[in-house]
Amino acid sequence: AQSVTQLDSQVPVFEEAPVELRCNYSSSVSVYLFWYVQYPNQGLQLLLKYLSGSTLVKGINGFEAEFNKSQTSFHLRKPSVHISDTAEYFCAVRNQAGTALIFGKGTTLSVSS
Amino acid sequence: GAGVSQTPSNKVTEKGKYVELRCDPISGHTALYWYRQSLGQGPEFLIYFQGTGAADDSGLPNDRFFAVRPEGSVSTLKIQRTERGDSAVYLCASSQTSGATYEQYFGPGTRLTVT
Repeated sequence: AQSVTQLDSQVPVFEEAPVELRCNYSSSVSVYLFWYVQYPNQGLQLLLKYLSGSTLVKGINGFEAEFNKSQTSFHLRKPSVHISDTAEYFCAVRNQAGTALIFGKGTTLSVSS
Repeated sequence: GAGVSQTPSNKVTEKGKYVELRCDPISGHTALYWYRQSLGQGPEFLIYFQGTGAADDSGLPNDRFFAVRPEGSVSTLKIQRTERGDSAVYLCASSQTSGATYEQYFGPGTRLTVT
Protein backbone atom coordinates (compact mmCIF):
# COMPACT_ATOMS: atom_id res chain seq x y z
CA ALA A 1 0.00 0.00 0.00
CA GLN A 2 1.10 3.53 -0.70
CA SER A 3 2.07 5.91 2.09
CA VAL A 4 3.80 9.22 2.57
CA THR A 5 5.93 10.41 5.47
CA GLN A 6 6.73 14.07 5.97
CA LEU A 7 9.76 14.13 8.17
CA ASP A 8 9.32 17.57 9.71
CA SER A 9 6.12 18.81 11.29
CA GLN A 10 7.39 22.40 11.58
CA VAL A 11 10.12 24.28 9.73
CA PRO A 12 10.94 27.84 10.87
CA VAL A 13 13.13 29.91 8.57
CA PHE A 14 14.10 33.51 8.05
CA GLU A 15 13.05 35.46 4.98
CA GLU A 16 15.34 35.01 1.95
CA ALA A 17 16.85 31.81 3.37
CA PRO A 18 16.66 28.54 1.43
CA VAL A 19 14.31 25.83 2.60
CA GLU A 20 13.81 22.09 2.08
CA LEU A 21 10.68 20.25 3.15
CA ARG A 22 11.27 16.52 3.25
CA CYS A 23 8.96 13.80 2.00
CA ASN A 24 9.51 10.05 1.76
CA TYR A 25 7.07 7.73 0.04
CA SER A 26 6.30 4.05 -0.04
CA SER A 27 4.80 2.51 -3.14
CA SER A 28 4.86 -0.84 -4.84
CA VAL A 29 3.63 0.44 -8.18
CA SER A 30 4.33 3.34 -10.52
CA VAL A 31 4.69 6.49 -8.47
CA TYR A 32 2.86 9.72 -9.00
CA LEU A 33 3.79 12.38 -6.45
CA PHE A 34 2.39 15.78 -5.58
CA TRP A 35 3.04 18.76 -3.34
CA TYR A 36 0.11 20.91 -2.22
CA VAL A 37 0.09 24.14 -0.22
CA GLN A 38 -2.65 25.29 2.13
CA TYR A 39 -2.72 28.94 3.12
CA PRO A 40 -4.74 29.88 6.22
CA ASN A 41 -8.49 29.62 5.63
CA GLN A 42 -7.99 28.58 2.01
CA GLY A 43 -8.27 25.35 0.04
CA LEU A 44 -5.36 23.18 -1.01
CA GLN A 45 -3.49 24.41 -4.07
CA LEU A 46 -1.24 22.28 -6.27
CA LEU A 47 2.41 23.39 -6.22
CA LEU A 48 3.86 20.73 -8.50
CA LYS A 49 3.59 17.10 -9.52
CA TYR A 50 5.80 14.28 -10.74
CA LEU A 51 4.22 11.81 -13.14
CA SER A 52 7.20 10.68 -15.23
CA GLY A 53 10.20 12.01 -17.11
CA SER A 54 12.65 14.49 -15.64
CA THR A 55 13.25 13.91 -11.96
CA LEU A 56 13.52 17.64 -11.27
CA VAL A 57 10.09 19.20 -11.27
CA LYS A 58 9.46 22.92 -11.22
CA GLY A 59 6.29 24.36 -9.79
CA ILE A 60 4.62 27.63 -9.00
CA ASN A 61 5.98 30.37 -6.75
CA GLY A 62 9.61 29.35 -7.31
CA PHE A 63 9.30 25.90 -5.73
CA GLU A 64 10.88 22.76 -7.14
CA ALA A 65 11.13 19.13 -6.09
CA GLU A 66 13.37 16.23 -7.00
CA PHE A 67 12.13 12.68 -7.40
CA ASN A 68 14.74 10.23 -6.07
CA LYS A 69 13.73 6.64 -6.68
CA SER A 70 16.67 5.04 -4.87
CA GLN A 71 15.97 7.04 -1.72
CA THR A 72 12.18 7.00 -2.21
CA SER A 73 12.10 10.73 -1.61
CA PHE A 74 10.40 13.76 -3.14
CA HIS A 75 11.78 16.74 -1.23
CA LEU A 76 10.46 20.24 -1.88
CA ARG A 77 12.92 23.14 -2.13
CA LYS A 78 12.98 26.88 -2.60
CA PRO A 79 16.22 28.86 -2.80
CA SER A 80 14.86 32.00 -1.15
CA VAL A 81 11.60 32.14 0.80
CA HIS A 82 9.26 35.05 1.39
CA ILE A 83 6.99 35.88 4.28
CA SER A 84 4.08 35.00 2.00
CA ASP A 85 5.31 31.39 1.77
CA THR A 86 4.16 30.81 5.34
CA ALA A 87 1.63 27.98 5.03
CA GLU A 88 1.01 24.27 5.50
CA TYR A 89 2.62 22.03 2.88
CA PHE A 90 1.42 18.54 2.05
CA CYS A 91 3.14 15.78 0.11
CA ALA A 92 0.86 13.23 -1.54
CA VAL A 93 1.05 10.03 -3.61
CA ARG A 94 -1.58 8.57 -5.88
CA ASN A 95 -3.18 5.45 -4.52
CA GLN A 96 -2.79 2.11 -6.29
CA ALA A 97 -6.29 2.21 -7.74
CA GLY A 98 -5.64 5.64 -9.20
CA THR A 99 -8.75 7.01 -7.57
CA ALA A 100 -7.39 9.24 -4.82
CA LEU A 101 -4.42 10.93 -3.23
CA ILE A 102 -2.78 9.76 -0.01
CA PHE A 103 -1.46 12.71 1.95
CA GLY A 104 1.24 13.11 4.55
CA LYS A 105 0.54 14.85 7.83
CA GLY A 106 1.87 18.15 6.57
CA THR A 107 4.74 20.50 7.34
CA THR A 108 4.15 23.97 8.69
CA LEU A 109 6.55 26.44 7.10
CA SER A 110 6.92 29.62 9.13
CA VAL A 111 8.88 32.44 7.50
CA SER A 112 9.88 35.36 9.70
CA SER A 113 11.74 38.59 9.02
CA GLY B 1 -13.82 31.07 -13.47
CA ALA B 2 -15.45 29.85 -10.31
CA GLY B 3 -13.62 27.30 -8.23
CA VAL B 4 -14.97 24.50 -6.10
CA SER B 5 -17.43 25.80 -3.55
CA GLN B 6 -18.63 24.14 -0.37
CA THR B 7 -21.51 24.98 1.90
CA PRO B 8 -21.84 25.61 4.71
CA SER B 9 -18.39 26.86 5.62
CA ASN B 10 -19.05 25.98 9.25
CA LYS B 11 -21.52 23.58 10.79
CA VAL B 12 -22.07 22.96 14.48
CA THR B 13 -24.35 20.10 15.40
CA GLU B 14 -25.23 18.04 18.43
CA LYS B 15 -24.14 14.45 18.85
CA GLY B 16 -26.64 12.11 17.26
CA LYS B 17 -27.95 14.59 14.69
CA TYR B 18 -27.93 14.23 10.89
CA VAL B 19 -25.92 16.62 8.69
CA GLU B 20 -25.51 17.27 5.00
CA LEU B 21 -22.50 18.92 3.44
CA ARG B 22 -22.68 20.25 -0.11
CA CYS B 23 -20.03 20.52 -2.81
CA ASP B 24 -20.30 22.41 -6.10
CA PRO B 25 -17.44 21.31 -8.38
CA ILE B 26 -15.90 23.29 -11.20
CA SER B 27 -18.22 23.24 -14.19
CA GLY B 28 -17.39 20.41 -16.57
CA HIS B 29 -15.33 18.41 -14.09
CA THR B 30 -16.47 14.80 -14.20
CA ALA B 31 -14.46 13.55 -11.24
CA LEU B 32 -15.30 14.55 -7.67
CA TYR B 33 -13.61 13.57 -4.42
CA TRP B 34 -14.38 13.94 -0.73
CA TYR B 35 -11.64 14.04 1.89
CA ARG B 36 -11.66 14.56 5.65
CA GLN B 37 -8.96 16.53 7.45
CA SER B 38 -8.67 16.17 11.21
CA LEU B 39 -6.69 18.61 13.30
CA GLY B 40 -2.96 18.24 12.71
CA GLN B 41 -3.42 15.63 9.98
CA GLY B 42 -3.35 15.58 6.23
CA PRO B 43 -6.53 15.04 4.22
CA GLU B 44 -7.85 11.46 4.23
CA PHE B 45 -9.73 10.10 1.23
CA LEU B 46 -13.39 9.26 1.71
CA ILE B 47 -15.04 8.72 -1.67
CA TYR B 48 -14.53 9.30 -5.40
CA PHE B 49 -17.22 9.88 -8.03
CA GLN B 50 -16.82 9.52 -11.75
CA GLY B 51 -19.95 11.11 -13.14
CA THR B 52 -22.95 10.06 -11.08
CA GLY B 53 -21.51 6.85 -9.70
CA ALA B 54 -19.29 6.26 -6.71
CA ALA B 55 -16.28 4.59 -8.30
CA ASP B 56 -14.43 4.15 -5.01
CA ASP B 57 -16.00 4.49 -1.57
CA SER B 58 -13.34 2.55 0.28
CA GLY B 59 -12.46 5.53 2.47
CA LEU B 60 -15.86 5.94 4.08
CA PRO B 61 -15.27 5.06 7.74
CA ASN B 62 -18.60 3.32 8.41
CA ASP B 63 -22.19 3.09 7.25
CA ARG B 64 -23.15 6.38 8.93
CA PHE B 65 -21.41 8.14 6.04
CA PHE B 66 -22.99 8.32 2.61
CA ALA B 67 -22.52 10.54 -0.44
CA VAL B 68 -24.50 11.16 -3.60
CA ARG B 69 -24.03 12.95 -6.90
CA PRO B 70 -27.35 12.39 -8.67
CA GLU B 71 -26.80 14.57 -11.74
CA GLY B 72 -23.05 14.27 -12.04
CA SER B 73 -22.39 17.76 -10.75
CA VAL B 74 -23.26 18.80 -7.19
CA SER B 75 -22.48 16.27 -4.48
CA THR B 76 -23.79 15.91 -0.95
CA LEU B 77 -21.99 14.13 1.86
CA LYS B 78 -24.43 12.86 4.46
CA ILE B 79 -23.56 11.84 7.99
CA GLN B 80 -26.10 10.11 10.20
CA ARG B 81 -26.04 9.90 14.00
CA THR B 82 -23.03 12.19 14.24
CA GLU B 83 -20.37 11.49 16.82
CA ARG B 84 -17.81 13.82 18.37
CA GLY B 85 -15.10 11.97 16.46
CA ASP B 86 -16.66 13.15 13.21
CA SER B 87 -15.50 16.69 13.97
CA ALA B 88 -13.11 17.69 11.18
CA VAL B 89 -12.81 19.77 8.04
CA TYR B 90 -14.49 18.06 5.11
CA LEU B 91 -12.83 18.88 1.80
CA CYS B 92 -14.23 18.44 -1.67
CA ALA B 93 -12.14 18.38 -4.84
CA SER B 94 -12.87 18.00 -8.53
CA SER B 95 -10.82 17.25 -11.62
CA GLN B 96 -11.37 17.30 -15.36
CA THR B 97 -11.45 13.57 -15.77
CA SER B 98 -10.91 10.37 -13.89
CA GLY B 99 -7.68 9.32 -12.27
CA ALA B 100 -5.73 11.03 -9.57
CA THR B 101 -2.90 12.02 -11.93
CA TYR B 102 -5.03 14.92 -13.07
CA GLU B 103 -4.90 18.03 -10.92
CA GLN B 104 -7.50 18.02 -8.20
CA TYR B 105 -8.92 21.46 -7.39
CA PHE B 106 -9.94 21.75 -3.76
CA GLY B 107 -12.69 23.75 -2.17
CA PRO B 108 -12.19 25.71 1.08
CA GLY B 109 -13.84 22.98 3.14
CA THR B 110 -16.67 22.69 5.63
CA ARG B 111 -15.64 22.72 9.27
CA LEU B 112 -17.93 20.32 11.14
CA THR B 113 -18.07 20.48 14.92
CA VAL B 114 -20.07 17.89 16.80
CA THR B 115 -20.83 18.88 20.39
